Amino acid sequence: AQSVTQPDIHITVSEGASLELRCNYSYGATPYLFWYVQSPGQGLQLLLKYFSGDTLVQGIKGFEAEFKRSQSSFNLRKPSVHWSDAAEYFCAVGARDTGRRALTFGSGTRLQVQP
Amino acid sequence: GAGVSQTPSNKVTEKGKYVELRCDPISGHTALYWYRQSLGQGPEFLIYFQGTGAADDSGLPNDRFFAVRPEGSVSTLKIQRTERGDSAVYLCASSDRTSSNGLNEQFFGPGTRLTVL
Repeated sequence: AQSVTQPDIHITVSEGASLELRCNYSYGATPYLFWYVQSPGQGLQLLLKYFSGDTLVQGIKGFEAEFKRSQSSFNLRKPSVHWSDAAEYFCAVGARDTGRRALTFGSGTRLQVQP
Repeated sequence: GAGVSQTPSNKVTEKGKYVELRCDPISGHTALYWYRQSLGQGPEFLIYFQGTGAADDSGLPNDRFFAVRPEGSVSTLKIQRTERGDSAVYLCASSDRTSSNGLNEQFFGPGTRLTVL
């Protein structure tokens, strides 16, 4: 069964600082990989996804993520954080080889941005 | 255009009662998903519809949970004999027909917060 681990429950960064949110997955093959953001009272919004090809993926709002097969990781990065980035971030995986459409999410990382 | 909508936004009920949660997907989306998000956790898959049929209901926790999508658009998640442990945010998502090279983006609604007293 696939699983996702987000080791950091809560991260605080200063506005303008760089950010890296960690995501590790367990899956028999290379899964489909996603990062979602959830702001209070809002639905989940897709930031970026990896299906195949270039392992460095660009997303919306200046985010990027790098797929590292050897480390089973898909860490999210942003070079300069804005106060509006404060939210909860979820990494998710989707099955590539079973046809199953459900996503498996990590438990999330809450990002706090200090002025 | 309109996104995924869910009603009600909040539902408070008593233990043992029956509840229905509604999801209106994005117009034209053939796939619809229900997830449940408990406090401090990520969403957990419940059920997936392709059109009118449930293509994968492996996430439903027990037979108290049931979902329908009779006309291939609106879906209703039904919970019988609610328990305090059912308290969570229930999220609905929809997507276009799955492409051949991957999973299409799932667009999420704002959720229904269910509280069972």
